[in-house]
Amino acid sequence: NAGVTQTPKFQVLKTGQSMTLQCAQDMNHEYMSWYRQDPGMGLRLIHYSVGAGITDQGEVPNGYNVSRSTTEDFPLRLLSAAPSQTSVYFCASRADRGNSKNIQYFGAGTRLSVL
Amino acid sequence: DQQVKQNSPSLSVQEGRISILNCDYTNSMFDYFLWYKKYPAEGPTFLISISSIKDKNEDGRFTVFLNKSAKHLSLHIVPSQPGDSAVYFCAASQIYNQGGKLIFGQGTELSVKP
Repeated sequence: NAGVTQTPKFQVLKTGQSMTLQCAQDMNHEYMSWYRQDPGMGLRLIHYSVGAGITDQGEVPNGYNVSRSTTEDFPLRLLSAAPSQTSVYFCASRADRGNSKNIQYFGAGTRLSVL
Repeated sequence: DQQVKQNSPSLSVQEGRISILNCDYTNSMFDYFLWYKKYPAEGPTFLISISSIKDKNEDGRFTVFLNKSAKHLSLHIVPSQPGDSAVYFCAASQIYNQGGKLIFGQGTELSVKP
């Protein structure tokens, strides 16, 4: 059972480039989310989805787009990368029923540098 | 406005002693709290949680205490082991509102010395 898988693990971009961070989960979880971790700031929620076809904004959504066409996948798109988006990005998923329904499970992260 | 705060960026304890990590929150609507542990170059892993209807939850060496009147929770690790050295994040959510979004504190880096 792979859990939450993020690709790539590392990425370097130039300012203005676009890219997509991939996230896939094989636990049939309804809820998925994206966070960024910056020094001294903890993890901040970017976007989240409560099911296929439904997305909503978190605390820091500007500069990022998401879509949820399937239960398994929740890609995060940077349309025009900026140095302020240099960060470590984590994807997480959560079941919405059952004993562990309030616990989010995280991927290993994508470390992104924007030059 | 930081709704969840961990005011100690770091903590160092001796192996075998107790580690106490603290977390404060400002939003009285939070009704579920979690602690995550994070090693370098890995994603956060769930450690222990507590519902607002309880004031204590235990799991082996880990105990979380919740003081709702003070809007404060703490994580106790007894006895501490070198393998516990990691960054610990507390997180809060409203289960039935706002999609159960997690709001994280800044993290506390725990170092357990042999």
